[in-house]
Amino acid sequence: DAKTTQPNSMESNEEEPVHLPCNHSTISGTDYIHWYRQLPSQGPEYVIHGLTSNVNNRMASLAIAEDRKSSTLILHRATLRDAAVYYCILRDSTSGTYKYIFGTGTRLKVLA
Amino acid sequence: NAGVTQTPKFQVLKTGQSMTLQCAQDMNHEYMSWYRQDPGMGLRLIHYSVGAGITDQGEVPNGYNVSRSTTEDFPLRLLSAAPSQTSVYFCASSYSTGTSGANEQFFGPGTRLTVL
Repeated sequence: DAKTTQPNSMESNEEEPVHLPCNHSTISGTDYIHWYRQLPSQGPEYVIHGLTSNVNNRMASLAIAEDRKSSTLILHRATLRDAAVYYCILRDSTSGTYKYIFGTGTRLKVLA
Repeated sequence: NAGVTQTPKFQVLKTGQSMTLQCAQDMNHEYMSWYRQDPGMGLRLIHYSVGAGITDQGEVPNGYNVSRSTTEDFPLRLLSAAPSQTSVYFCASSYSTGTSGANEQFFGPGTRLTVL
């Protein structure tokens, strides 16, 4: 299974942009890159996903490297409510089994 | 829609006891899965199902059984609880369309299990 590597923790000031990196050097051509976040004492929630092109939605942007070996989740203006653990996940579709393999994630701290 | 619901929210068991964690979804999702999350760790996949009557093992299946008799329900059974199974358990569901990797997973609120 392809794995992802993320920094354990990051800090950001409120109202500033945040760039959360993820390395996935063994990604296969059919793997989608998903990002989820987990607020304290809650289940994970979907943030964004992409395959090859950069993606934008109301929550965030996803920038995918041209070789797809890394990606960056961009929060354009961090708020205190964005303090969470962010997980970068590859959707394992190589065997058609639809497994999501979570790593340990990046804990984002937002400073007021 | 209620989304993904899990019961109970909290449970304390003694070593050797058995119990079933319930998970239900009302979104007609084919794919359902169970994860466990130990303190300070990420989620690990226990079992998953791509449709009624079909289940498969994830990363950490030992000590757990599942079945999928309906699209809506995916219960997780602990046959003989051990302290190592103390964890928070999350159920999730999503559409499953061919080999598409694009489907968003919806997670339940979790069940916090303590085994003494």
